[in-house]
Formats: sequence, C-alpha cells, structure tokens
Amino acid sequence: NAGVTQTPKFRVLKTGQSMTLLCAQDMNHEYMYWYRQDPGMGLRLIHYSVGEGTTAKGEVPDGYNVSRLKKQNFLLGLESAAPSQTSVYFCASSISGLNSPLHFGNGTRLTVT
Amino acid sequence: AQTVTQSQPEMSVQEAETVTLSCTYDTSENNYYLFWYKQPPSRQMILVIRQEAYKQQNATENRFSVNFQKAAKSFSLKISDSQLGDTAMYFCAFGTSYGKLTFGQGTILTVHP
Repeated sequence: NAGVTQTPKFRVLKTGQSMTLLCAQDMNHEYMYWYRQDPGMGLRLIHYSVGEGTTAKGEVPDGYNVSRLKKQNFLLGLESAAPSQTSVYFCASSISGLNSPLHFGNGTRLTVT
Repeated sequence: AQTVTQSQPEMSVQEAETVTLSCTYDTSENNYYLFWYKQPPSRQMILVIRQEAYKQQNATENRFSVNFQKAAKSFSLKISDSQLGDTAMYFCAFGTSYGKLTFGQGTILTVHP
C-alpha cells in the first residue's frame, strides 16, 4: 500500500532550468495539494485540485504550474527555477476535502543554485 | 484569510512528563477544522489529532489531547507521559473549504531521557 508517492526525493537545479515534480496516490482520492515548506514558515499551499481535470491557486502560486490529467497524479512544474524556490515540497491527498484527513508524501528537497 | 500562530519556537520536556504546545488562529469562518501534525526528522507529516469547530468536546487520542477555546481562538496540544519518540516538529493547522490547510510556523519539541 504505497499511499502518496513523490518523485524525485532530491533534486538540484540551476537558475532558469525547468523541472516537474510528480505526485501519485493509489487511494482513489479526489483532492490533491502541493505545499512548500521553508524554515520558520510552516507549510504553505501552492496549488490544489478538487478532482481530475481541475486545478486552483493556493497561497503562493507564482512561478509554478500544475496539471491533473489523471485522478491519481498531480504534477507540479517549475518553468524557470529561481533560488527563491529552494524548498521542501510536499504533496498531499484527501478523500473529500474538509472533513477527511490529509495523507502526505515524504517530500522532495529542491535546491536551486 | 486565516492566520495560525505558534508562539513557542522550541520546547523541551523530560520523559514521562506532560507538555503543552500553544496555538492561536484568526478566522471569520464558522465551519472549519483544526489539526496538529507531527514531523519527525524523517520529514514525514503525521496527523496527531483533529478537532471539528462545531464540537465543544475536546478531542483526545491516547496520550494526546487538545484544549479548544473557540471564543478565544485557541487550540493547544497536551502531550501526557512524553516519550522519546515524541521528539519532533509540531505544526498546528487550520482547515477550511476544499480541505486547504493553513499551517503555523511550528514548534520543535525535544523529549529528554
């Protein structure tokens, strides 16, 4: 039972490079989320999705794009990485939003030099 | 917009003793949930306990309990009989529509033998 799987676990990028982070869940959850965690700031919501084919902006969406073409996958893209995007990225999913708990992946540590 | 404040950056406790972590929040919403998450050095986000705002009874989960004061917008976590495995970063979080969470800055808890 894999739960929420994030790929890759670590990545180093140069400024201006692009990359995609993959989140996959095998629990048939409708809702999926991308958060970033920075020291002293807790986790902040980047984008989220309430179902296949839908996406919406969270608290800190600038510089990121997302896609939810399949229900089980939620992709986070960085088109032109900046040092300010150095962070740990967490994906999460839930069955039905507010009254169901979030299941988190183990995070991706991204460093932009 | 919601805000969540954890005023204790670090706390420490002796094994088997009790510790309380503080959390306050600000919102104009009526329907919401409150959560405490634990993040050990492994980086995994683990749900400790959750509280529905419409319930007056405080939630408990084994050694973990909350003191939910809705009028004061306070949501503290009490850990009884602290164990070495409780050493972690603890995040308070506010949950609203679509399951979006707003996190506090976190409190590092160290349990000493």
